[in-house]
Amino acid sequence: SQQGEEDPQALSIQEGENATMNCSYKTSINNLQWYRQNSGRGLVHLILIRSNEREKHSGRLRVTLDTSKKSSSLLITASRAADTASYFCATAPSNAGGTSYGKLTFGQGTILTVHP
Amino acid sequence: KAGVTQTPRYLIKTRGQQVTLSCSPISGHRSVSWYQQTPGQGLQFLFEYFSETQRNKGNFPGRFSGRQFSNSRSEMNVSTLELGDSALYLCASSLVAGRGAKNIQYFGAGTRLSVL
Repeated sequence: SQQGEEDPQALSIQEGENATMNCSYKTSINNLQWYRQNSGRGLVHLILIRSNEREKHSGRLRVTLDTSKKSSSLLITASRAADTASYFCATAPSNAGGTSYGKLTFGQGTILTVHP
Repeated sequence: KAGVTQTPRYLIKTRGQQVTLSCSPISGHRSVSWYQQTPGQGLQFLFEYFSETQRNKGNFPGRFSGRQFSNSRSEMNVSTLELGDSALYLCASSLVAGRGAKNIQYFGAGTRLSVL
């Protein structure tokens, strides 16, 4: 079963605009990551935020994390047509032991379309 | 450094057959995780291997199995294929995957399996 939900399911914007995607999760986490997937291909890691961090930046990406609400948001500023893709949040559990090994739990994803 | 390589890229099988998918991780990565991606269920964790040992397993029937070789290459096998097994199967490798680790995963392009 999936960890949580992403919102919105689909987002359509014009080049130059900002895109914000939200993610909620259910269990305690070690970190939360965002991945991008182009057209049914493999996922590409974008950014990681640890459970004790509240905000992280990387280039045009800004991620926030609110562990009290079990939610995160990804902001892409000045979007480009090349940003068109599906975006997934993924959580790594905080519990030690077998259930944490190698497992990321993904949200359902947000399909972002950026029009030139 | 070469990325994660999955072969074959596409497979067409019929119900009842079995299939083997292959994954070569990034050089030096010892953890390999497998995921199934479908439009209905999204990305679901299958299992993870580290040093030739399965350390973690998702909620899939026993028809899904895997193994890892001493060079960290991994295979997954699905026996007695069902129509619902049609999916994109993604392999991901990680440098370190364990307690407290970041668990950033690097994905292959996937194998698209169609079961007729």
